[in-house]
Amino acid sequence: QVQLVESGGNLVKPGGSLRLSCAASGFNFGDYYMSWIRQAPGKGLEWVSYISHSGPNIYYADSVKGRFTISRDNGKNSLFLQMNSLTADDTAVYYCARDEKWGSLDHWGQGTLVTVSS
Amino acid sequence: QSALTQPASVSGSPGQSITISCTGTSSDVGAFDYVSWYQQHPGKAPKILVYEVSKRPSGASNRFSGSKSGNAASLTISGLQAVDEADYYCSSYTTSSTVIFGGGTKLTVL
Repeated sequence: QVQLVESGGNLVKPGGSLRLSCAASGFNFGDYYMSWIRQAPGKGLEWVSYISHSGPNIYYADSVKGRFTISRDNGKNSLFLQMNSLTADDTAVYYCARDEKWGSLDHWGQGTLVTVSS
Repeated sequence: QSALTQPASVSGSPGQSITISCTGTSSDVGAFDYVSWYQQHPGKAPKILVYEVSKRPSGASNRFSGSKSGNAASLTISGLQAVDEADYYCSSYTTSSTVIFGGGTKLTVL
């Protein structure tokens, strides 16, 4: 069965960096677009970024553009999110999700918590 | 880009039907048939209910149905059950090649 497991969430100071990972299994990872979505405490879902099958198509939400970088390693069935210049507004649970087609996120991980605080 | 507009809350009694609206613009909901709906129980990851406006993934209950007219989409839940009490989110692909979510709707089953 499809499994997505995020890791890398932590407490980080404002201005700091963090790298999130998402380990995928149970499907042919290289056949799918993948997305990151976040949810601030008590708030709604916010799409962050997606990456195409082999990586040439990458898009970001305006709120993270220039600070976050999405990447993937199809050989290791892994998705990554490098987050730089973090602020308190980036505090959230970060989910990775498989994108079946044009934003149809059909499988989600359990999420990893990123807390940005001094 | 602003979030899609959803009512903050809706409620209904067991067995009833309710509809949650999702209003966007001609740059998102109105531009493509790529609207999805998700259910999220407290402390859990979201789960897809409907994709491409009205398609249900395998395993999803047929009590959930989606539709769209112009710049607005909607999710109808029929035969309400206590287990349906959750937060519901719509999302849409956009003309900027991004994805946008609605603000979410809290469903209370009375």
